[in-house]
Amino acid sequence: GQQLNQSPQSMFIQEGEDVSMNCTSSSIFNTWLWYKQEPGEGPVLLIALYKAGELTSNGRLTAQFGITRKDSFLNISASIPSDVGIYFCAGQPSGGYQKVTFGTGTKLQVIP
Amino acid sequence: DVKVTQSSRYLVKRTGEKVFLECVQDMDHENMFWYRQDPGLGLRLIYFSYDVKMKEKGDIPEGYSVSREKKERFSLILESASTNQTSMYLCASSLRATEKLFFGSGTQLSVL
Repeated sequence: GQQLNQSPQSMFIQEGEDVSMNCTSSSIFNTWLWYKQEPGEGPVLLIALYKAGELTSNGRLTAQFGITRKDSFLNISASIPSDVGIYFCAGQPSGGYQKVTFGTGTKLQVIP
Repeated sequence: DVKVTQSSRYLVKRTGEKVFLECVQDMDHENMFWYRQDPGLGLRLIYFSYDVKMKEKGDIPEGYSVSREKKERFSLILESASTNQTSMYLCASSLRATEKLFFGSGTQLSVL
């Protein structure tokens, strides 16, 4: 199966800074998903996007479904230490979760 | 909340051993999944099951098999473990194919 290109691979930021990460694909997706994996845990769904151009927020997190349907972006505002983890994007063309492709992950470290 | 429990947090096995990874979910979900997580590669689907005794191959099924004798339990089997199967293994479940995934905490398998 294909992989999604996610960038950056890792980032170190100061507490209070904003964070941006993105995900690109050579294929079109109908749904974009963003997951967070905290150390020692499985990934947890943060935001789901269902329509090209859609902008959705969840607290300090904002994600966008790219107009081309081949990319998605996640922003975290005013980062705090508990934002530490690995963030995964995932794209779903249609149908069930067996067709979901996950990105390579962005590892976020927040320096207090 | 849905609980997905993986039987072991850490496992160390020898090359050639038969390895069983167990996963149990407590919310009567139809669908269960096994993923493998490797740094820089994200999550890759090994197998999934949409009903008892039903299974389908994911993107990387080679060297693995699965068993689902009861709705709540999904087992991943490595018939003859090899060093390249050293990885983090994540189990997940969802109520229906298009519903969000709930992940277990993962099993870190080391094959020596």
